[in-house]
Amino acid sequence: ETGVTQTPRHLVMGMTNKKSLKCEQHLGHNAMYWYKQSAKKPLELMFVYNFKEQTENNSVPSRFSPECPNSSHLFLHLHTLQPEDSALYLCASSLGLRRYEQYFGPGTRLTVT
Amino acid sequence: DQQVKQNSPSLSVQEGRISILNCDYTNSMFDYFLWYKKYPAEGPTFLISISSIKDKNEDGRFTVFLNKSAKHLSLHIVPSQPGDSAVYFCAAAYGGSNYKLTFGKGTLLTVNP
Repeated sequence: ETGVTQTPRHLVMGMTNKKSLKCEQHLGHNAMYWYKQSAKKPLELMFVYNFKEQTENNSVPSRFSPECPNSSHLFLHLHTLQPEDSALYLCASSLGLRRYEQYFGPGTRLTVT
Repeated sequence: DQQVKQNSPSLSVQEGRISILNCDYTNSMFDYFLWYKKYPAEGPTFLISISSIKDKNEDGRFTVFLNKSAKHLSLHIVPSQPGDSAVYFCAAAYGGSNYKLTFGKGTLLTVNP
């Protein structure tokens, strides 16, 4: 499999649930990103990892917890979410932090009930 | 404050004609600009980019023009094809922002057969 994959593609969870989103890239990239896309809003950067180290946390609430065990895998752990957290969550990767071109996965459509 | 603006939420064009998608930015520090295309249920796909040292970049049917004095860029698609129907996002970045991409809200292009 090539490119950037994300699982699950769709997720419905209650506010008290704990779930995780998974992202995997097969491009040999070193930087990985989590974005949130809400309706009628631009993509919002959430977290940036470079060589497994977090380099950016864009003031994201602690109910979102990222994990990057290696340069190919990125997780977003979710707990105690709010209905306004319902959105499309996109993972992306790039060759490195100094490379502008980012390659996106298909996203996880999250609905919080 | 939105630093990258795509003021047209949608655009409809006839097959074979030119599509022109516009993007304005406010941050004069931006030195690299990208266009992404997004189909429903897929992640954004990198399309074409331009550095601020250039005013034009061409790739097949796609050409991006940059007018730094006006802080404006545009994407020209010619000839337009029905398969080009998608949401197009403009993005901008600069080294001082750790190469983070700032996205516009997107323009939905519909190419009618």
